[in-house]
Amino acid sequence: GENVEQHPSTLSVQEGDSAVIKCTYSDSASNYFPWYKQELGKGPQLIIDIRSNVGEKKDQRIAVTLNKTAKHFSLHITETQPEDSAVYFCAASLPSGTYKYIFGTGTRLKVLA
Amino acid sequence: DTGVSQNPRHKITKRGQNVTFRCDPISEHNRLYWYRQTLGQGPEFLTYFQNEAQLEKSRLLSDRFSAERPKGSFSTLEIQRTEQGDSAMYLCASSSARLAGSGTQYFGPGTRLLVL
Repeated sequence: GENVEQHPSTLSVQEGDSAVIKCTYSDSASNYFPWYKQELGKGPQLIIDIRSNVGEKKDQRIAVTLNKTAKHFSLHITETQPEDSAVYFCAASLPSGTYKYIFGTGTRLKVLA
Repeated sequence: DTGVSQNPRHKITKRGQNVTFRCDPISEHNRLYWYRQTLGQGPEFLTYFQNEAQLEKSRLLSDRFSAERPKGSFSTLEIQRTEQGDSAMYLCASSSARLAGSGTQYFGPGTRLLVL
């Protein structure tokens, strides 16, 4: 079945710097890749997503890139702010069946003021 | 508030007791998912409903677990004879099937279960 690996598990950056989180998926048929931000005690909140027919998507300070050949996708956060501190999860979904998500193990991002 | 809601938010129970959680999805969403999240891990898929039909159950869902969505609206997840290993955050998500393919899943705040 599908497997998603996520790196790094923790990431500390200075406020204003950029942060990059990388994920690799195993099933080449996966075609939808959302990213979620989860704050302590809360449910995951969607921050950006990308479909396999697109190589890059940007929303203000957040961007996601997808390399289908290498089967990996990355989250880029620029001009980080303390409120970006949270756990970030990537996920992958197949284009058929239940469309369930397979999640990575998460990256704890700390933005140091 | 038109987001996904879950109740209760927290539940502490003793080993061997039964517990039931409720999820109210976004009103027009006909797909509903349950996931389980343990500390330091990503959510893991448990089960999926399209309308009232339960179409997939993970192997993680032992026979002590049962989920229903009787009218295709809210859903309940029941755990019988709870074990300490059931301690986790139980997340509900919903999405719309109006769009072909994967729809974006919106998550509720979760129910945190602690089994003593």
